[in-house]
Amino acid sequence: DTEVTQTPKHLVMGMTNKKSLKCEQHMGHRAMYWYKQKAKKPPELMFVYSYEKLSINESVPSRFSPECPNSSLLNLHLHALQPEDSALYLCASSQDPKRTGNTIYFGEGSWLTVV
Amino acid sequence: ELKVEQNPLFLSMQEGKNYTIYCNYSTTSDRLYWYRQDPGKSLESLFVLLSNGAVKQEGRLMASLDTKARLSTLHITAAVHDLSATYFCALRRSNDYKLSFGAGTTVTVRA
Repeated sequence: DTEVTQTPKHLVMGMTNKKSLKCEQHMGHRAMYWYKQKAKKPPELMFVYSYEKLSINESVPSRFSPECPNSSLLNLHLHALQPEDSALYLCASSQDPKRTGNTIYFGEGSWLTVV
Repeated sequence: ELKVEQNPLFLSMQEGKNYTIYCNYSTTSDRLYWYRQDPGKSLESLFVLLSNGAVKQEGRLMASLDTKARLSTLHITAAVHDLSATYFCALRRSNDYKLSFGAGTTVTVRA
């Protein structure tokens, strides 16, 4: 099983709403990632969790708040977003954060539209 | 800062012919990844290249890595329609979690 599961697949939210994106993997991976991808662009790293601790925040605005409740789950809490935040949000995981040769597996993504 | 350049950005292929996508990068890298993305879909891992001279093949796709030239290639043999997608190369340095992506190559295979 090499699956990273993301919910919801589609989300439309207003600029005053609070919502969350969820990600789950059962591969025993200890590194989990959030990426943002705009149309026709490559993914851009937002956050990295290593052994359930936040290791990297790529200067992401505070309206995006990540959370890693346990080694299998990763959330991205959204609040007061802007229309330009509309994008595909990809969760990914890899086996051992310290081994760069591991394959990084991506979920199907959550399409976010901010209105 | 690690820079990754892919070319071409768009590639129109004729069925049955061979083509190559190039991925150049700016600094020493430990790991080179190739991903495929279909429209509206997520990224599918194709290859992970770990060392100089590494060559991996899967079906009609073959990837290679030359760390001295800082170049990876993705070779497509006898293109078929279901290879139409966007292909990304990405690099990761040791002790760095960040995967730096190229701009992507959008491939369209025509009859």
